[in-house]
Amino acid sequence: DQQVKQNSPSLSVQEGRISILNCDYTNSMFDYFLWYKKYPAEGPTFLISISSIKDKNEDGRFTVFLNKSAKHLSLHIVPSQPGDSAVYFCAASHSGNTPLVFGKGTRFSVIA
Amino acid sequence: DADVTQTPRNRITKTGKRIMLECSQTKGHDRMYWYRQDPGLGLRLIYYSFDVKDINKGEISDGYSVSRQAQAKFSLSLESAIPNQTALYFCATTHPNTGELFFGEGSRLTVL
Repeated sequence: DQQVKQNSPSLSVQEGRISILNCDYTNSMFDYFLWYKKYPAEGPTFLISISSIKDKNEDGRFTVFLNKSAKHLSLHIVPSQPGDSAVYFCAASHSGNTPLVFGKGTRFSVIA
Repeated sequence: DADVTQTPRNRITKTGKRIMLECSQTKGHDRMYWYRQDPGLGLRLIYYSFDVKDINKGEISDGYSVSRQAQAKFSLSLESAIPNQTALYFCATTHPNTGELFFGEGSRLTVL
């Protein structure tokens, strides 16, 4: 049973627009959430994280929102740029002491 | 130089052969992981190790074994490779305070 779900396998958006990537989780013990970005032929790289004591974390053009009651988080990219095109993985863990559980990823494309 | 190095980067082998994927890290972290990526399935955990004397099975450990030779080295073995083990394999290590995973560049394995 999937504990971290990314229900959109792919997403395309025009350059300059806002993009929203979504992630849902089922394990109520998860309290630390991360987003990773993966380019072809490279390993995933850390993008942004949020702990359950917050509902928002911002880093430049990237903002992650956490809705604990809905067990939902989202990654907002504003504005979207062609270099943002990659596969984005949502991940979660419990107290940072358990291995990260990943979603299946969303292939994100920014059209110039 | 990469903080997490995987060898080989690419390998083609035949069914029944023994294969070892090696991983070394220069970050001095205790925790190391092996993940497997398949199209549409995201990143799935094979094995993880929280220190040299600790080995734990992940979600999909069947058909795999690991060895933690030192703090910096964590190898993954396929004793008798089969075609459905064709995948992209990632080694990773965790920052002890943030829980952020640092990935290697991946080892692409093809089993014919």
